[in-house]
Amino acid sequence: RKEVEQDPGPFNVPEGATVAFNCTYSNSASQSFFWYRQDCRKEPKLLMSVYSSGNEDGRFTAQLNRASQYISLLIRDSKLSDSATYLCVVNGGSYIPTFGRGTSLIVHP
Amino acid sequence: EAQVTQNPRYLITVTGKKLTVTCSQNMNHEYMSWYRQDPGLGLRQIYYSMNVEVTDKGDVPEGYKVSRKEKRNFPLILESPSPNQTSLYFCASSPWDRASGNTIYFGEGSWLTVV
Repeated sequence: RKEVEQDPGPFNVPEGATVAFNCTYSNSASQSFFWYRQDCRKEPKLLMSVYSSGNEDGRFTAQLNRASQYISLLIRDSKLSDSATYLCVVNGGSYIPTFGRGTSLIVHP
Repeated sequence: EAQVTQNPRYLITVTGKKLTVTCSQNMNHEYMSWYRQDPGLGLRQIYYSMNVEVTDKGDVPEGYKVSRKEKRNFPLILESPSPNQTSLYFCASSPWDRASGNTIYFGEGSWLTVV
């Protein structure tokens, strides 16, 4: 079983839609969690960290479920500019980051 | 400006001709790493370094070497490149500080084609 798993998509949604991605991880000792955004063939950039209590940044909400070992990203009121690949990153007990393969989002007019 | 700089950004080379991709960060980060990204395979870690003179293999180290003689630099060496090393390569660094959450900063990427 891969350490960090994501549905590759693509998720194809209209502007204004709400879309959610999940990411499951296998290492129960994982310490920290992140969502990164990667535009086509550019470098990944941090979108947001994921805290135990959940956190929100504008239209984006991240949640952590330690019992079920998954994190989620919710995007409300999708914009065309949200089209990208979203990478889940999990830091294990040794702080070595593990990347998911990414979920592709396409927002269309 | 805080950044990770890698060079060259684009390179076409021939099989067997040694090449080095340089990586430098100006954030005084302990952790540095190299990844390659191929369609459908996501980011795969090649090598990483927790500090000067400390390097370790990632998931796909075959055909690559690295060194960490200084904190800021982490070059990737392909001693005898082969066509299956054609890929997009990213260098990354992180403060490795729990307080900062271990945010990873990436270079802009190096497109390497081996013919």
